[in-house]
Amino acid sequence: GAGVSQSPSNKVTEKGKDVELRCDPISGHTALYWYRQSLGQGLEFLIYFQGNSAPDKSGLPSDRFSAERTGGSVSTLTIQRTQQEDSAVYLCASSLEWDGSGGYTFGSGTRLTVV
Amino acid sequence: DAKTTQPPSMDCAEGRAANLPCNHSTISGNEYVYWYRQIHSQGPQYIIHGLKNNETNEMASLIITEDRKSSTLILPHATLRDTAVYYCIVRVAYNFNKFYFGSGTKLNVKP
Repeated sequence: GAGVSQSPSNKVTEKGKDVELRCDPISGHTALYWYRQSLGQGLEFLIYFQGNSAPDKSGLPSDRFSAERTGGSVSTLTIQRTQQEDSAVYLCASSLEWDGSGGYTFGSGTRLTVV
Repeated sequence: DAKTTQPPSMDCAEGRAANLPCNHSTISGNEYVYWYRQIHSQGPQYIIHGLKNNETNEMASLIITEDRKSSTLILPHATLRDTAVYYCIVRVAYNFNKFYFGSGTKLNVKP
């Protein structure tokens, strides 16, 4: 596609439920990133995928968070046993260069609300 | 990564140039200056980046001072659709895990 596509755009879930967020990056972009943005805060790095390399999971806040990228394309971010502090906008980005040096392209995000 | 300082908000008349300043006095030699913007309810959008030289693309121009301690993003002919929060970021190219946007400058383009 022309841009980074994320789904769903909005998700309301009950505390304790699991959620899956999907990201479809730009075709040909080898690097894929997940960030989250809480209200009034800057972007918080979560995880980074680059080609077939092991992902950098250093930003995942707890073991309730996991992500995978199948076939080097679509990625799914899973949050298990959601908590209210997980409420945020989850942004996916992809880049052509492995280090993002040419700039990232971001999706519109998934707004997650845990009630 | 170096910290940046931006004014919280600016106004600009439609059709005029918008000049958005950013201070990054602690920038190191291998850090690039990036500009992104975020329109309400959308993901951040890449605008431009540079290391030392001034840069221009179809969206904007980036002017970096000789000592690299500050920069200015110039939107030559601002339109109402340019109303957004503009973020100045400095980072080493490979430090993707420290991509922190800060609070940015809210640019209000007025008719």
